[in-house]
Amino acid sequence: GQNIDQPTEMTATEGAIVQINCTYQTSGFNGLFWYQQHAGEAPTFLSYNVLDGLEEKGRFSSFLSRSKGYSYLLLKELQMKDSASYLCAVMDSNYQLIWGAGTKLIIKP
Amino acid sequence: GAVVSQHPSWVICKSGTSVKIECRSLDFQATTMFWYRQFPKQSLMLMATSNEGSKATYEQGVEKDKFLINHASLTLSTLTVTSAHPEDSSFYICSARGDREYNEQFFGPGTRLTVL
Repeated sequence: GQNIDQPTEMTATEGAIVQINCTYQTSGFNGLFWYQQHAGEAPTFLSYNVLDGLEEKGRFSSFLSRSKGYSYLLLKELQMKDSASYLCAVMDSNYQLIWGAGTKLIIKP
Repeated sequence: GAVVSQHPSWVICKSGTSVKIECRSLDFQATTMFWYRQFPKQSLMLMATSNEGSKATYEQGVEKDKFLINHASLTLSTLTVTSAHPEDSSFYICSARGDREYNEQFFGPGTRLTVL
């Protein structure tokens, strides 16, 4: 079967750095996405990785290792507005997105 | 980025009635649209995938006669929840995908349905 695993919840301090991990097993791979979802809102796109390595975009970076079936989202200089759920999703061989359950990130002052 | 709208944003209806939700891609042509449902504190659950001009493909366990999907044009898809019941109360989100570099899906803002 196909599955995406990520921690259910994480807590971090404002101004700090947090890394959210995602491991996956899917039938085929056409890229991995990270989305941010605030409560009661639709997801918004953060990043896309299809090649191994680190993609940096401002305070957010995303890393991929295809051989290990592993990705992480790195958030730097955390702000209170970063409190949200972070969803990892893998596009399989049929170009369908397989979603993780999401990681709820709680930022404390 | 591309913009996807959904209407209505929220709706309250009586049990047994039908509710139609519209999903529009405003500045691009969506070759494929997806309908998701999300219950509180749970992840997105894909309900169906629709391509313009063809029948939708439903995920296992989703009743196609209850959740009618019409993808009439490259910018509009509709989801009709027929004979809604309280257990259908959920957050319904559509997304659209065009012919872009890496098949990114753009999400609408979602529709919160409450069935009394």
